[in-house]
Amino acid sequence: DAKTTQPTSMDCAEGRAANLPCNHSTISGNEYVYWYRQIHSQGPQYIIHGLKNNETNEMASLIITEDRKSSTLILPHATLRDTAVYYCIVRDLQGAQKLVFGQGTRLTINP
Amino acid sequence: EAQVTQNPRYLITVTGKKLTVTCSQNMNHEYMSWYRQDPGLGLRQIYYSMNVEVTDKGDVPEGYKVSRKEKRNFPLILESPSPNQTSLYFCASRSTGGANEKLFFGSGTQLSVL
Repeated sequence: DAKTTQPTSMDCAEGRAANLPCNHSTISGNEYVYWYRQIHSQGPQYIIHGLKNNETNEMASLIITEDRKSSTLILPHATLRDTAVYYCIVRDLQGAQKLVFGQGTRLTINP
Repeated sequence: EAQVTQNPRYLITVTGKKLTVTCSQNMNHEYMSWYRQDPGLGLRQIYYSMNVEVTDKGDVPEGYKVSRKEKRNFPLILESPSPNQTSLYFCASRSTGGANEKLFFGSGTQLSVL
């Protein structure tokens, strides 16, 4: 079972920051938070991951709360091409050899 | 270019006719995996492989076989396909050993079993 809770859908205006929340209240100390996205029926694409510090890369920023029970993925300047389903996943690197994809958040970027 | 290549992209077949979906990666990844995606059920893991000649069942292995004779290839075999195996299939690979273990996915194979 997925260990995360995400809103089913969100909308954002083109050019604005898209903030996607994720709740992972049962996360353990050695579990990482990963974000992937899936555009239409393409293969999921890795975005970013983190353990406890905030992370930033060329695609997005990841903000993890101090208690690590939730996180937010930020797309700073959303474009129409960012319309996709976004998956938040927690994974223990020593644990099961799979990523459990929940239902994700369907993000729609509006012109 | 680093990639995971699946073939075919689309496949229509009939019940009971054996088929193979190929998957190949050019990143020298040890780990490879197959997922299926169905509406309302999300992505579910079928089989995975930690390295050559090492395979293990995922969450929904019934009706599928895999093999890992070479590091780069991980074919998915349906010996006797049934309509409930109609689905969108994804192959994925990653390196092992560390936090930076990003999964790379193929473009998908849409399978219809009539």
